[in-house]
Amino acid sequence: DIQMTQSPSSLSASVGDRVTITCRASQGISNYLAWYQQKPGKVPELLIYTASALQSGVPSRFSGIGSGTDFTLTISSLQPEDVATYYCQNYNSVPLTFGGGTKVEIK
Amino acid sequence: EVQLLESGGGLVQPGGSLRLSCAASGFTFSNYAMSWVRQAPGKGLEWVSAISGSGDSTYYADSVKGRFTISRDNSKNTLYLQMNSLRAEDTAIYYCAKDRGGWLVGYFDLWGRGTLVTVSS
Repeated sequence: DIQMTQSPSSLSASVGDRVTITCRASQGISNYLAWYQQKPGKVPELLIYTASALQSGVPSRFSGIGSGTDFTLTISSLQPEDVATYYCQNYNSVPLTFGGGTKVEIK
Repeated sequence: EVQLLESGGGLVQPGGSLRLSCAASGFTFSNYAMSWVRQAPGKGLEWVSAISGSGDSTYYADSVKGRFTISRDNSKNTLYLQMNSLRAEDTAIYYCAKDRGGWLVGYFDLWGRGTLVTVSS
């Protein structure tokens, strides 16, 4: 199984800050990587797929990059509504696997 | 409105069984693969099982293989998860999730609200 490791597990930043979350796969997954946002008490929502494609309706301050084993999700200017836990997900092969999550809070 | 609505969760004793349902609306259900994803209380996401749009192909996580069975009824726009031999570690919110394609592409652009399964004596 492909293991997905996210870092950091949590972070606190100020409104307007640039925030970066990393995700590393235990083996190469090409660009078969998705990112989800789960706000407190809510359902996960798709942000990015194929490592860098923005899902329709997602604000342009979110971006993703990477290929192979190393991936990054960036929020260019953190907003209060971005408080959430972010998960990466491998879909290169079954079993589909998620990272452990990164909890983003406002300082 | 495009939505998924799960039902069937509840409290069950270890070793017991439960059948979850997920009613889909607002899209052509048979055109899309579907998955079940679970989230233990306060924990992260874990993929459980998937089924192709036609229902011909099914996939399982090792943690549930041989105990859970995924199925679908495209005439009723409904996805199912039959869960047998339940264990305490199966306690979680179970989400149904719509895949991007009719085969298993593997990422999810629509999630239901989830149904809570609690396995406890």
